[in-house]
Amino acid sequence: DADVTQTPRNRITKTGKRIMLECSQTKGHDRMYWYRQDPGLGLQLIYYSFDVKDINKGEISDGYSVSRQAQAKFSLSLESAIPNQTALYFCATSERTGRQFFGPGTRLTVL
Amino acid sequence: GESVGLHLPTLSVQEGDNSIINCAYSNSASDYFIWYKQESGKGPQFIIDIRSNMDKRQGQRVTVLLNKTVKHLSLQIAATQPGDSAVYFCAEKRGAGNMLTFGGGTRLMVKP
Repeated sequence: DADVTQTPRNRITKTGKRIMLECSQTKGHDRMYWYRQDPGLGLQLIYYSFDVKDINKGEISDGYSVSRQAQAKFSLSLESAIPNQTALYFCATSERTGRQFFGPGTRLTVL
Repeated sequence: GESVGLHLPTLSVQEGDNSIINCAYSNSASDYFIWYKQESGKGPQFIIDIRSNMDKRQGQRVTVLLNKTVKHLSLQIAATQPGDSAVYFCAEKRGAGNMLTFGGGTRLMVKP
């Protein structure tokens, strides 16, 4: 079984809709992250959480929100989706050493 | 601004040859570096890491070299195989926050 899972794996939605992407991990890590990847580009950090009571904005948090429901669960919401949020979204967890483990990704298309 | 970047966006090598993927970083305070491999449609997978107190680290068919003098990181893949075809990212970590900054990636294409 995968250590970091994401649901859904693919989603097509319309402009203005609210979307939630979910991430679960069985690695027992306290630290979780959400990244966005645009075609041909690297990963940009949206939000991160070092424990259940700790939420921090990353470099591109505008238009997104997160919820850390439990140590193992970290969800990303787009309150009102827009077409330029079409991208691949990755969840990751990390040890204190810094090594991050990534989920399989969610491909989101906003029409 | 300070960033992690890559010299070559695409690298094409013959199967069986060695591959070298390069990465330049500009923040001398970075203390930890990671190489990830990302295959099409998948999330990044950890390949190898190195701390700033080391110059070289070897794994299975892969070696990472760190040159702090010129702020350069490289990933060497020995006897490159078709399964090595992917995009490779380097990432750096600065300080205790565990935040990684990723480079733009290099696509490795292996010719049969």
